[in-house]
Amino acid sequence: AAGVIQSPRHLIKEKRETATLKCYPIPRHDTVYWYQQGPGQDPQFLISFYEKMQSDKGSIPDRFSAQQFSDYHSELNMSSLELGDSALYFCASSGPGLAGRRDIQYFGAGTRLSVL
Amino acid sequence: GNSVTQMEGPVTLSEEAFLTINCTYTATGYPSLFWYVQYPGEGLQLLLKATKADDKGSNKGFEATYRKETTSFHLEKGSVQVSDSAVYFCALSDWRQGAQKLVFGQGTRLTINP
Repeated sequence: AAGVIQSPRHLIKEKRETATLKCYPIPRHDTVYWYQQGPGQDPQFLISFYEKMQSDKGSIPDRFSAQQFSDYHSELNMSSLELGDSALYFCASSGPGLAGRRDIQYFGAGTRLSVL
Repeated sequence: GNSVTQMEGPVTLSEEAFLTINCTYTATGYPSLFWYVQYPGEGLQLLLKATKADDKGSNKGFEATYRKETTSFHLEKGSVQVSDSAVYFCALSDWRQGAQKLVFGQGTRLTINP
């Protein structure tokens, strides 16, 4: 079965550079979530989109922005990168399931960003 | 706000030992509860879930029961294997309010020795 695809898997950037992370949800899933996992930490919610509109926002820095496109894929844009942005970035997707429930999120393998 | 508290790790056990990882939660409404597992270098995989009080989620020999009275969702397995070594995250989501973010516990690193 198709899973959530994230690209790239690994990314190395210098301080103050820009990075773009991409996420392709499971087919027919209309909701995308972004999480950040620092070393040894639990994943922290950044932002989510439902039907191409932002649905919720967490602890996402103003330097980051994201959007969901017409084909439901999503991109997380990170500017003026800082050392502290080094982390594993996960994308998850969900869609209508039994009785319209969408409470299960399926995660991609993540993008490991290293800022030097 | 919603929160999840997990048993602190790391936890080290011998193969075939009994496993319990404690998880308690604080939430308004009626959250769904999850256990996710993260193997080294990989993403998060859903292990099991429960959506209402007294539900029992189970998968691959792991079980957890949604206890509303104690606000708990402890993970158990009767006989662990070396391949169970991973980090385990307890999480909640209140889907009744629409698409909802997951709130994770701190994670518990489990190591099983042969």
